[in-house]
Amino acid sequence: SAVISQKPSRDICQRGTSLTIQCQVDSQVTMMFWYRQQPGQSLTLIATANQGSEATYESGFVIDKFPISRPNLTFSTLTVSNMSPEDSSIYLCSVEFEGGGYEQYFGPGTRLTVT
Amino acid sequence: AQSVSQHNHHVILSEAASLELGCNYSYGGTVNLFWYVQYPGQHLQLLLKYFSGDPLVKGIKGFEAEFIKSKFSFNLRKPSVQWSDTAEYFCAVMDNYGQNFVFGPGTRLSVLP
Repeated sequence: SAVISQKPSRDICQRGTSLTIQCQVDSQVTMMFWYRQQPGQSLTLIATANQGSEATYESGFVIDKFPISRPNLTFSTLTVSNMSPEDSSIYLCSVEFEGGGYEQYFGPGTRLTVT
Repeated sequence: AQSVSQHNHHVILSEAASLELGCNYSYGGTVNLFWYVQYPGQHLQLLLKYFSGDPLVKGIKGFEAEFIKSKFSFNLRKPSVQWSDTAEYFCAVMDNYGQNFVFGPGTRLSVLP
């Protein structure tokens, strides 16, 4: 397993602004993921962020809206750009260890409210 | 695309009652199956997982799940629940290529003391 931290833990933002969420892992991992969990709903994968390559986005999510950086094997950022109230959600990062059997370990999440 | 369904949105039980939460998936190939739990105010934690072998898998905190391939199901069970089991439970499925990690909608369990 791993210790995963996210910053900020929560934020309230105005529409039209952007927020960058950080995800830090205490060990090196190849695969990192970003999810969104809207109120009362399940988790939806936004993108997969592997170090050394461009992030891979799921259907319905685009790089202009959710740019991702993955500068090294322990860190990633997700930016929510030009926010609207519909972006209010919990954003989670997760990691998967190579050879670990596909299970993912999750960070505590960032609760974003857009007014 | 594969999908995951969970039969119950909200389950309310008294302490010591038995628990079974349903999970069905749509993918026809080889799958890896997971149950995650999210306690109030905490992050998602892995309860148990199935990759291959014995279809009855045991996880932490007395939970177990049974993979029934013919029914595309992976139901979670616990013989006697405790108040501390109050949480949201998510079933998840990943295909055997390591892609398409899909979560179910979740089941909220409330255990009354």
